[in-house]
Amino acid sequence: DSGVTQTPKHLITATGQRVTLRCSPRSGDLSVYWYQQSLDQGLQFLIQYYNGEERAKGNILERFSAQQFPDLHSELNLSSLELGDSALYFCASSVGSSVVVEQYFGPGTRLTVT
Amino acid sequence: QQQVKQSPQSLIVQKGGISIINCAYENTAFDYFPWYQQFPGKGPALLIAIRPDVSEKKEGRFTISFNKSAKQFSLHIMDSQPGDSATYFCAASPHQGGSEKLVFGKGTKLTVNP
Repeated sequence: DSGVTQTPKHLITATGQRVTLRCSPRSGDLSVYWYQQSLDQGLQFLIQYYNGEERAKGNILERFSAQQFPDLHSELNLSSLELGDSALYFCASSVGSSVVVEQYFGPGTRLTVT
Repeated sequence: QQQVKQSPQSLIVQKGGISIINCAYENTAFDYFPWYQQFPGKGPALLIAIRPDVSEKKEGRFTISFNKSAKQFSLHIMDSQPGDSATYFCAASPHQGGSEKLVFGKGTKLTVNP
């Protein structure tokens, strides 16, 4: 158990809908990362937050957005969903210092868009 | 553009044998190289990591070998066990602008036969 929690575990929704994925980082970790895992694209970095502020953006679609709250949990919002958004979405957390960079992944949310 | 190339895609090893997975990168800004292990239905779990100032790191049966001049690194699993059967991902982090986002290889599915 990495200490990172994600809810829900599974999500089935229809095209055009909007969903919210939630992540709670390990105790003490200030950085939260979101990754998407699909069969064709592999594991892709989406976005990083550090102590409530966006720090880096990757291949995140404009239909997707995220935020990190004062209690450090994070939410990833996916809107106008398409079939191709079906994937595993992982959250990872790290201390966020320049020295300690290990990232610990949560169990993921499996999103199925029908 | 795939920044981290991983091979082989799949690997079958007999129990007690040595499993070797290779990765290559182009971006010289990468300065942190972790390996992750993923079982079906689970999130990636950090296995071992290395920085470019050392050429080898060993933790138990797992060893990373790093060749900075060739921009290559590899994972060796000694005395491979059926319980090691999983998908292994190499990754690299550019550590730019305070971001430690990970760039992943495509993964290697390891099967250890009893």
